[in-house]
Amino acid sequence: EIVLTQSPGTLSLSPGDRATLSCRASQSVINNFVGWYQQKPGQAPRLLIYGASTRATGIPDRFSGSGSGTDFTLTISRLEPEDFAVYYCDQYGSSPWAFGQGTKVEIK
Amino acid sequence: QVPLVQSGAEVKKPGSSVRVSCKTSGGTFRSYTISWVRQAPGQGLEWMGRIIPILDETDYAQKFQGRVTFIADKATGIAYMELNSLTSEDTALYYCARSLSTQTSCYFWGQGTLVTVSS
Repeated sequence: EIVLTQSPGTLSLSPGDRATLSCRASQSVINNFVGWYQQKPGQAPRLLIYGASTRATGIPDRFSGSGSGTDFTLTISRLEPEDFAVYYCDQYGSSPWAFGQGTKVEIK
Repeated sequence: QVPLVQSGAEVKKPGSSVRVSCKTSGGTFRSYTISWVRQAPGQGLEWMGRIIPILDETDYAQKFQGRVTFIADKATGIAYMELNSLTSEDTALYYCARSLSTQTSCYFWGQGTLVTVSS
C-alpha cells in the first residue's frame, strides 16, 4: 500500500508569489499516475493535474505538475487570489488508490 | 450538462445503513471508473474504493472491506454506495467521482452527499 505525504502542511504566501507543493510516495508510483486537486471551502475537489504533469481541461497554465517515481511537485507560478485553497495529491497507479493529507495555501 | 449528480443529505441512526446514489449524465457508464471518496468534517479526502461498471469489478479500501458495497445499474447509469453498521465516525461528505480515461482517476466529481450519523 502506497502512502502519500504532502509538505508543507501550510504554505503562507502573498498574491503573485510562486507556490511549490510536494507529494512524496512511500513506493514508486506506477506510470507516474499522480493527480493534484484543489478544494475550496464548501466545494467538491477539482482536478488540476493528472499523470503527474498533464493539465486537466480549463486549468490555467500557471499550474504545472512535475516529478516521477516517488517525488512529485505542483507549482503555481504566480498566485492569484482565487488560488488560496487546500491542495491534495493522489496516486492511482496501484491498488489501493490513496490521497495525501493535503497542503493549505493561505494568504500571508 | 453536469457529469455526476448525487442524492440528497441523509441522517441515520448508529447501526443502520445508508445508500447514496450517483447519476451519470447521459445515463451511461461507458468505460468509466466510478470512485467513492469521503471527507469527514474538517478533514482530508479518503478513498473508499472504486467500481468499473463495464467489467463489474470492484476494488474496496481495506478499511471498508465487508462494510461497503458499490453497485452500478448499467440500465440507468446510476451508481450506488451502500455503507452498513454506521457509527458517528461515518459522519462525512461522500463524493462519487469518475474517470475520463484509463489515464485518470477522479476527473469529474459529484456535488457530495452529507451523511450524518446521530442517535
